[in-house]
Amino acid sequence: GAVVSQHPSRVICKSGTSVKIECRSLDFQATTMFWYRQFPKQSLMLMATSNEGSKATYEQGVEKDKFLINHASLTLSTLTVTSAHPEDSSFYICSARVRQGIGEQFFGPGTRLTVL
Amino acid sequence: AQSVTQLDSHVSVSEGTPVLLRCNYSSSYSPSLFWYVQHPNKGLQLLLKYTSAATLVKGINGFEAEFKKSETSFHLTKPSAHMSDAAEYFCVVGGYTGANSKLTFGKGITLSVRP
Repeated sequence: GAVVSQHPSRVICKSGTSVKIECRSLDFQATTMFWYRQFPKQSLMLMATSNEGSKATYEQGVEKDKFLINHASLTLSTLTVTSAHPEDSSFYICSARVRQGIGEQFFGPGTRLTVL
Repeated sequence: AQSVTQLDSHVSVSEGTPVLLRCNYSSSYSPSLFWYVQHPNKGLQLLLKYTSAATLVKGINGFEAEFKKSETSFHLTKPSAHMSDAAEYFCVVGGYTGANSKLTFGKGITLSVRP
């Protein structure tokens, strides 16, 4: 089946530093990748949608300068949390979709970010 | 616009008894509907999906869901709960909006299974 990986699975950083999270589709090419954020015991909130080779589309209320998304290839998208603060601590999950429209999204295992 | 309502935040059943997790949706389009399961500190696993084919959808691990347009519902059921079913369950609606279709997640239901 379609497998999506994320790296790292856990990261702890100091306030003010930047953290990069990678999302890879291992056995398929993803035209679109999505980044979600999940707070403890809450649902997933879509942060942004990225299409390979173009700028990401951010959801309302998500700071694009703080959450930098790059989708340089059909198998890799990265999310960089810049100048991280404790309130950025969360579970970040990516997903990848094979084709446009209502194609199924395949989810990565998530990255737990803790900002001290 | 699309939305999902999962009225129950927590459901507790005994092992071997039926499971019912409720979901109601709202969508401006003919929706695609999904159920995902998330075990603690893990990613999401697709249980089943409805994409305008048969209204009764069978998924993995014995789960199934029925799409009822008149009731705008997509409830998840399983005849007999297993301890390993204890997890968080998300009902999700997807719609086609231009070049990018988005998924909208419900708040999730925590399923507990008592021995």
